[in-house]
Amino acid sequence: SQQGEEDPQALSIQEGENATMNCSYKTSINNLQWYRQNSGRGLVHLILIRSNEREKHSGRLRVTLDTSKKSSSLLITASRAADTASYFCATARVVGFQKLVFGTGTRLLVSP
Amino acid sequence: DTGVSQNPRHKITKRGQNVTFRCDPISEHNRLYWYRQTLGQGPEFLTYFQNEAQLEKSRLLSDRFSAERPKGSFSTLEIQRTEQGDSAMYLCASSLGFAGSYEQYFGPGTRLTVT
Repeated sequence: SQQGEEDPQALSIQEGENATMNCSYKTSINNLQWYRQNSGRGLVHLILIRSNEREKHSGRLRVTLDTSKKSSSLLITASRAADTASYFCATARVVGFQKLVFGTGTRLLVSP
Repeated sequence: DTGVSQNPRHKITKRGQNVTFRCDPISEHNRLYWYRQTLGQGPEFLTYFQNEAQLEKSRLLSDRFSAERPKGSFSTLEIQRTEQGDSAMYLCASSLGFAGSYEQYFGPGTRLTVT
């Protein structure tokens, strides 16, 4: 069963706008990762944040993690049509064995 | 392209038939994972190999499912006596397998349709 829930389930924005999606999870984690999935390229790793980190940046991506609330957010700034995809958060619980438990995903549509 | 590859990309089979999927991980990766994804859901973990050893199996993996990774290289996932509920995308991923290397690299998947 899915551990995480993502919010919103779907998001529609215009190019140039920012997109924020949220992820909640249920158990303690070692790290949380965000993946993107579209029909052309499958699942692609975007960014990883460890449980002892609160914020991380990578290009136009900003991820925050609040372990006390068991939640994370992914911000995509200055979105492009090519960002259209489904975005999943995935958590890893155990150091050394990194089975990923995925959320339900947010479908992002960026219109030109 | 040296990414994870999976074959076939699509498989249509009749209920009751056996199917086998293959995954070739990134060559230096010693960890290999299988996930299953149904429409509108995130991937769900099925099983995990470190080198040739299968170290964990999900309860989703009934006794009709078997996975192997001979010699710690490619892996196969076999489903016997397929059921319509087995229709899904089967994803393979690999990772380096040392502390700090937590990112998983996914293949394009095998889409199974059971009629």
